[in-house]
Amino acid sequence: GENVEQHPSTLSVQEGDSAVIKCTYSDSASNYFPWYKQELGKGPQLIIDIRSNVGEKKDQRIAVTLNKTAKHFSLHITETQPEDSAVYFCAAILYSSASKIIFGSGTRLSIRP
Amino acid sequence: DGGITQSPKYLFRKEGQNVTLSCEQNLNHDAMYWYRQDPGQGLRLIYYSQIVNDFQKGDIAEGYSVSREKKESFPLTVTSAQKNPTAFYLCASSPDTGGIQYFGAGTRLSVL
Repeated sequence: GENVEQHPSTLSVQEGDSAVIKCTYSDSASNYFPWYKQELGKGPQLIIDIRSNVGEKKDQRIAVTLNKTAKHFSLHITETQPEDSAVYFCAAILYSSASKIIFGSGTRLSIRP
Repeated sequence: DGGITQSPKYLFRKEGQNVTLSCEQNLNHDAMYWYRQDPGQGLRLIYYSQIVNDFQKGDIAEGYSVSREKKESFPLTVTSAQKNPTAFYLCASSPDTGGIQYFGAGTRLSVL
């Protein structure tokens, strides 16, 4: 079945620097890749997503890139701010089956002042 | 105010007791899901439902049960057969099968 590996598990960056989180998926049929941000004690919130027919998508300070050949996708956060501190999850979905959304194990991002 | 509402926020279970976690959505979504999250871990699928009166087991269904009598409600019962129930439980819904999922705020279950 599908497997999603996410790295690193923890990441600490200086405020204002960039942060990059990487995920690799195993099922080449996966065609949709959302990213979620989970703040302490809360449910995950969708922050950005990308479909398999797109290589890159940007939304203000957040961008996601997808390399279908290598089966990996990455989240890039620029000009990091204290409120970016959270756990980030990537996911891979085969957009036709409810059972096929697979989450990565999460990255705890800490922004140092 | 649209969204997914989980209650209670905190729940304590005594040994041998069944407890039920509530999940309600007013987004008119067809599909609903329950996940378990352990500290420092990712999300593991317990059960999901694509339509009213139908639900399927996820990866870790043992010790849990669900019902889907109404489109907007998908309660999860943690039975006494679940020997390690302490975790953060998340409910999600999506407009259609396999689509993007939106999460509730979660219920933290602990054992007394």
